Amino acid sequence: RKEVEQDPGPFNVPEGATVAFNCTYSNSASQSFFWYRQDCRKEPKLLMSVYSSGNEDGRFTAQLNRASQYISLLIRDSKLSDSATYLCVVGYSGGYQKVTFGTGTKLQVIP
Amino acid sequence: NAGVMQNPRHLVRRRGQEARLRCSPMKGHSHVYWYRQLPEEGLKFMVYLQKENIIDESGMPKERFSAEFPKEGPSILRIQQVVRGDSAAYFCASSPEGRATYTEAFFGQGTRLTVV
Repeated sequence: RKEVEQDPGPFNVPEGATVAFNCTYSNSASQSFFWYRQDCRKEPKLLMSVYSSGNEDGRFTAQLNRASQYISLLIRDSKLSDSATYLCVVGYSGGYQKVTFGTGTKLQVIP
Repeated sequence: NAGVMQNPRHLVRRRGQEARLRCSPMKGHSHVYWYRQLPEEGLKFMVYLQKENIIDESGMPKERFSAEFPKEGPSILRIQQVVRGDSAAYFCASSPEGRATYTEAFFGQGTRLTVV
């Protein structure tokens, strides 16, 4: 089983739709969780950290379920500019904060 | 404040040649991470360095690959005797001095290595 698993997609959604991605992780000792966004042939950029209580940033909501070991990302009112690959990142402190990247979920927002 | 600078952006090498990838972290950052991304795959951790020290190289292939982060100058990822399977995007990330908290790691634009 992979340490971090994501559905690769692609998710093709119309503009204005709501879309959700899940990511599961296998290490129950994981302590930190992030969503990164990666545009085609570009570097990954931090989208948001994921907190135990869940957190929201504009149209984006991230949630963590420790019991089931998954995190989710919800995007409301999708924009064409949201088209990208979304990477789930899970970390734990083994002397330093060590992170594992998922392979990413590709989102294509269609006009 | 310049971001993480990687060069070259694109590098073409023939099989058997050496590839040197450079990463200059953001000002004030002393932690550097190298990742490799194969086409259509996620980022794979290779090595984590602080100035003059390799902290974790668990993701580095045992042969042909080496990394350094000298007291002065950029971090270097060196691949000797490249093979076609080394073709990938290599990303460097850096995080601030005194903290290895990943929340504050920023990525460079990557070096795309093509082995012909």
